[in-house]
Amino acid sequence: ILNVEQSPQSLHVQEGDSTNFTCSFPSSNFYALHWYRWETAKSPEALFVMTLNGDEKKKGRISATLNTKEGYSYLYIKGSQPEDSATYLCASGDSSYKLIFGSGTRLLVRP
Amino acid sequence: ETGVTQTPRHLVMGMTNKKSLKCEQHLGHNAMYWYKQSAKKPLELMFVYSLEERVENNSVPSRFSPECPNSSHLFLHLHTLQPEDSALYLCASSQDVVSYNEQFFGPGTRLTVL
Repeated sequence: ILNVEQSPQSLHVQEGDSTNFTCSFPSSNFYALHWYRWETAKSPEALFVMTLNGDEKKKGRISATLNTKEGYSYLYIKGSQPEDSATYLCASGDSSYKLIFGSGTRLLVRP
Repeated sequence: ETGVTQTPRHLVMGMTNKKSLKCEQHLGHNAMYWYKQSAKKPLELMFVYSLEERVENNSVPSRFSPECPNSSHLFLHLHTLQPEDSALYLCASSQDVVSYNEQFFGPGTRLTVL
């Protein structure tokens, strides 16, 4: 059974601060790590899908890294803006095509 | 917009009612999913369809009955639900049923069972 853990559970930062979250997952039978951004009353939206150890991906001010050997991924947001306020979900996929989701990190960026 | 729509967005039903949730994807994907999110819990996979064939039934009670008439449409038929089934139900699609494919989600249906 896969168990995906995210920390912190919630985070309040000031506009302009940089921040990061952690996702940990079992490293055995690993196939893919997904990050999603979920704004209230909207659909979860994919940010990144990473598959290789050492992968780093970037989209604007948001970036992510992946360590499959030790089973963790970091999501970084540089210069947080109020519009970055959302819940950030990670999910780990194995060879069975299922995604196991973490409980998410809820980010609130204060103006 | 993600290309995945869900109706209704909100639904209140009694325990003896029968209702259906509808999902439609306009992305040409081959795989569709139903997820459930209960309060303070992670998203839980309920059903997976690949090319209209069910490939996963994740120990879901029979009062939830999925239907996939074609690769663009997915339904979740609800019958004799319990109050603990109140949750957000999300539909998603992906190109194929592989874990490295990005999943595209609908906005969800907020279900309340009285």
